Amino acid sequence: EVQLVESGGGLIQPGGSLRLSCAASGFTVSSNYMSWVRQAPGKGLEWVSVIYSGGSTYYADSVKGRFTISRDNSKNTLYLQMNSLRAEDTAVYYCARDLGGYNAFDIWGQGTMVTVSS
Amino acid sequence: DIQMTQSPSSLSASVGDRVTITCRASQSISSYLNWYQQKPGKAPKLLIYAASSLQSGVPSRFSGSGSGTDFTLTISSLQPEDFATYYCQQSYSAITFGPGTKVDIK
Repeated sequence: EVQLVESGGGLIQPGGSLRLSCAASGFTVSSNYMSWVRQAPGKGLEWVSVIYSGGSTYYADSVKGRFTISRDNSKNTLYLQMNSLRAEDTAVYYCARDLGGYNAFDIWGQGTMVTVSS
Repeated sequence: DIQMTQSPSSLSASVGDRVTITCRASQSISSYLNWYQQKPGKAPKLLIYAASSLQSGVPSRFSGSGSGTDFTLTISSLQPEDFATYYCQQSYSAITFGPGTKVDIK
């Protein structure tokens, strides 16, 4: 079965760091474009970052310089390292597989909640 | 940055109704437009990609059209499981989502 399972969310103080994981099964992470998308409580969807199959990475302006996307091919897992966290980073974070071409996200994880609060 | 708007922001409809949701981009995005359905507490689900291509497994009552700046998502006959929030997403330049359209029961 093709699926994504996120983990690593939790409550963190402002300025802190957290690493999210997204374990894939049924397909190979390194052969696909993979993204992180977040959703603040009661709000809409916001794209965060993408890693292409070739390894290139891109970020939304709101997280550039603070977040880092990466993958571990041996574990077939995607990561999001989040540093210098702010209250406005509070959201459910989803990992998603990109169809490619039109950057449509066809497979999503269940999401992991990150709460930034003192 | 390309801004996306959706109209209406919410609508009430009955089972069997034909429903149309509009998405507009602040500049031309060709056909780089995708549509998602999201139910409370769940991840979004891809419905339409490349403006008009139906994702595998999605019922044929869903259809998409448009190009350039104006796009529509149509549900030909609303079913009970279609009550949800719908988002458009452009991928022509970076990736941005529309604010969503909530479809609820009249």
